Amino acid sequence: EVQLVESGGGLVQPGGSLRLSCAASGFTFSDYYMDWVRQAPGKGLEWVGRSRNKVHSHTTEYAASVKGRFTISRDDSKNLADLQMNILKIEDTAVYYCVRGFCSGPTCPDFYGMDVWGQGTTVTVSS
Amino acid sequence: AIQMTQSPSSLSASVGDRVTITCRASQAIRNDLGWYQQKPGKAPKLLIYAVSSLQNGVPSRFSGSGSGTDFTLTISSLQPEDFATYYCLQDYNYPQTFGQGTKVEI
Repeated sequence: EVQLVESGGGLVQPGGSLRLSCAASGFTFSDYYMDWVRQAPGKGLEWVGRSRNKVHSHTTEYAASVKGRFTISRDDSKNLADLQMNILKIEDTAVYYCVRGFCSGPTCPDFYGMDVWGQGTTVTVSS
Repeated sequence: AIQMTQSPSSLSASVGDRVTITCRASQAIRNDLGWYQQKPGKAPKLLIYAVSSLQNGVPSRFSGSGSGTDFTLTISSLQPEDFATYYCLQDYNYPQTFGQGTKVEI
């Protein structure tokens, strides 16, 4: 069964750090892009960032709101993707989803969408 | 960043109705547009990718169309399980951006 399971959420003070992890199973992890998407309480979805697959050397992209504060990394040998969040702000409070991105092939000439989602982990930034 | 504007923000419909949700991009995005369904307390689910391709396992009552800047999600015959919020997402360039969502109430 294809599955993504996030962990690491919790309560953190403004300015603090937190590291989320995403454990993947049921598919060849190194072939896929891995994204993080968040949803603030009662709000819509916000794309946070992406780690491309092995073919694309795991290069990353970030939303402007988190660039320079958040870092996405992955370990293909362990089927893990992490989101390191630093200098957290109150507005970073959200449910964070780990998401698999699927393409038309390993070189991803066409990105098709986010086809597998984790259950989400809650991050609360508050004093 | 490309802005995605969905309309309406919410709608009320009856079982069996044909429902249409629109998404407009602030610039042309080729066919790099997908639709997602989210039920309360659950993770979103991919319905349609590349404007009109139905994701595996998604009922055929869902369909997508459009090009350039204007896109549409249609539910041909609304079912009780379709109560949810629907989001469009452009993946034409970074940052990828979602529409604000359309809540469908039965």
